[in-house]
Amino acid sequence: EVQLVESGGGLVQPGGSLRLSCAASGFTFSNYWMSWVRQAPGKGLEWVANIKQDGSEKYYVDSVKGRFTISRDNVKNSLYLQMNSLRVEDAAVYYCTRVCGGICYSDYWGQGTLVTVSS
Amino acid sequence: EIVLTQSPDFQSVTPKEKVTITCRASQNIGNTLHWYQQKPNQSPKLLIKYASQSISGVPSRFSGSGSGTDFTLTINSLEAEDAATYYCHQSSTLPLTFGGGTEVEI
Repeated sequence: EVQLVESGGGLVQPGGSLRLSCAASGFTFSNYWMSWVRQAPGKGLEWVANIKQDGSEKYYVDSVKGRFTISRDNVKNSLYLQMNSLRVEDAAVYYCTRVCGGICYSDYWGQGTLVTVSS
Repeated sequence: EIVLTQSPDFQSVTPKEKVTITCRASQNIGNTLHWYQQKPNQSPKLLIKYASQSISGVPSRFSGSGSGTDFTLTINSLEAEDAATYYCHQSSTLPLTFGGGTEVEI
């Protein structure tokens, strides 16, 4: 059974940093692109970033470029999102997802981790 | 950026009714349109891929159609457990984008 378990969310002040983690199991992690998708409270879904199987390609939505970094550790079967210079508008539930290919749909989603940005 | 416009935003229906949700893309995306269901306090679940392809484990009352710029998600004979928000999603071009969602109330 595919499982994606996010962690690392919490309360941070504007301008602060946070690192999200996603532990993957139930599939061969190194064979799949992975992504982060977020959802602000009461709002819709927004794609944040994708990363290739070996980490050699990464793509970001414009609003996070230069501030967020997606990475992965195929030995630990883990996906990460380093978030710096956080803004109030970054507050959301962040979902880790498995992607069917490079630029493709997400076929499995984690339960999400909540990031709150407030002073 | 490809904008996906869903309609309606909200729909109140009764069990066994047929529900139709539309998603219009701001440019031609071929069949790279996918549908998700999100129940309250849950993560999204993939319902339909590539406009009309079914997903294993998803009830057959869910179907999708369309290509180019106009797409439809149909729920035949709605059940109470189908109360959720439905999102369309395009994977034609970066940035990947989602529609604004359609809330279905039973």
